[in-house]
Amino acid sequence: DAMVIQNPRYQVTQFGKPVTLSCSQTLNHNVMYWYQQKSSQAPKLLFHYYDKDFNNEADTPDNFQSRRPNTSFCFLDIRSPGLGDAAMYLCATSGSGTSGEDTQYFGPGTRLTVL
Amino acid sequence: AQKITQTQPGMFVQEKEAVTLDCTYDTSDQSYGLFWYKQPSSGEMIFLIYQGSYDEQNATEGRYSLNFQKARKSANLVISASQLGDSAMYFCAMREGLEFQKLVFGTGTRLLVSP
Repeated sequence: DAMVIQNPRYQVTQFGKPVTLSCSQTLNHNVMYWYQQKSSQAPKLLFHYYDKDFNNEADTPDNFQSRRPNTSFCFLDIRSPGLGDAAMYLCATSGSGTSGEDTQYFGPGTRLTVL
Repeated sequence: AQKITQTQPGMFVQEKEAVTLDCTYDTSDQSYGLFWYKQPSSGEMIFLIYQGSYDEQNATEGRYSLNFQKARKSANLVISASQLGDSAMYFCAMREGLEFQKLVFGTGTRLLVSP
């Protein structure tokens, strides 16, 4: 089945220790997104890639970076995690991003704990 | 100002009954899309149903239907014949105009289905 896969599902890191979260998709979608969702809150968009074009949200901290080496994979790098970065990180994909009906499909998420 | 408002933090329903989850939105765009997602405790965001601003008929997907009232800017989700597995957080989201890549989420409603 076509899907969005995130690894690992749970990640524990230490304060200030860089961490990378991974997302892959078999949907062959053009657009990939990273959302941060803190406990009991709505998901918040960090950035997205339209093909290789990177689009950062204005309020995304510089501590968060992303890479998309190919269509299938996208990575979220947190350079120096703080306690406030503990959250669920959700990856999503959509087909073209230019259709009004373009649905975003989400992966299962990575729950990040910062000690 | 909130673009998506979900006024019900929690809802309770008995198995096999119908339930309506409220969502109101605020936009000045003529073209927009409205989505509902389900998020079980496992964390994955599951797409349920979509309604385009130009769609004249209410969207339906199995037991899910969207009660779209454009003049009132509401897009309520109706779940018929509730099942225990419907217990989850439900998020309403909107994509506005040309910002096809950006979804804005409401704060969610937690639904609990009791036997």
